[in-house]
Amino acid sequence: ETGVTQTPRHLVMGMTNKKSLKCEQHLGHNAMYWYKQSAKKPLELMFVYNFKEQTENNSVPSRFSPECPNSSHLFLHLHTLQPEDSALYLCASSQDKGRGGETQYFGPGTRLLVL
Amino acid sequence: GQNIDQPTEMTATEGAIVQINCTYQTSGFNGLFWYQQHAGEAPTFLSYNVLDGLEEKGRFSSFLSRSKGYSYLLLKELQMKDSASYLCAVEDGDYKLSFGAGTTVTVRA
Repeated sequence: ETGVTQTPRHLVMGMTNKKSLKCEQHLGHNAMYWYKQSAKKPLELMFVYNFKEQTENNSVPSRFSPECPNSSHLFLHLHTLQPEDSALYLCASSQDKGRGGETQYFGPGTRLLVL
Repeated sequence: GQNIDQPTEMTATEGAIVQINCTYQTSGFNGLFWYQQHAGEAPTFLSYNVLDGLEEKGRFSSFLSRSKGYSYLLLKELQMKDSASYLCAVEDGDYKLSFGAGTTVTVRA
């Protein structure tokens, strides 16, 4: 257990569906992240939040919409996704953002399949 | 963007030693991380290097040479449970973490 939980663990959705991924961290951290992990590819950073404010959007398509209501919770709202969006979506947290050497702690991920 | 290279796969025998190399080119450098990821699980932190040299933690050691843009993770006395993917990640000058594609290590009996 890393102190970061994600739900659901698995999700199958059609291209016209709307769904949300949830991440919660119990570590008292201030920074939270969404990553996409596709097979045989590096983790791709999607969004970064620090103290509830979005500090990074890594050119992510608008069909992915993040929400950070407080420092412990992070959501990723999904709508009109494409089959190529099928991947493992990982959430992570760290004490802060913008200081060197901050270890990121990852959740187990949501395995998403878009049909 | 950043460029981080590591081998795709490695196989070794239980009890042996394996060295996973990672080379990188980034704009700015604030340290290099190694993570372990078992299939279907979260990546978990193994080590962090920001200065040149070797950091040892039990059976695992990590080395960094900033001038060469090079690091390695050394796994000693391999156990079956060490079969996993090992991710090299570099923190650039903007404190953004960029990952390599991972090295899948298979430990055989």
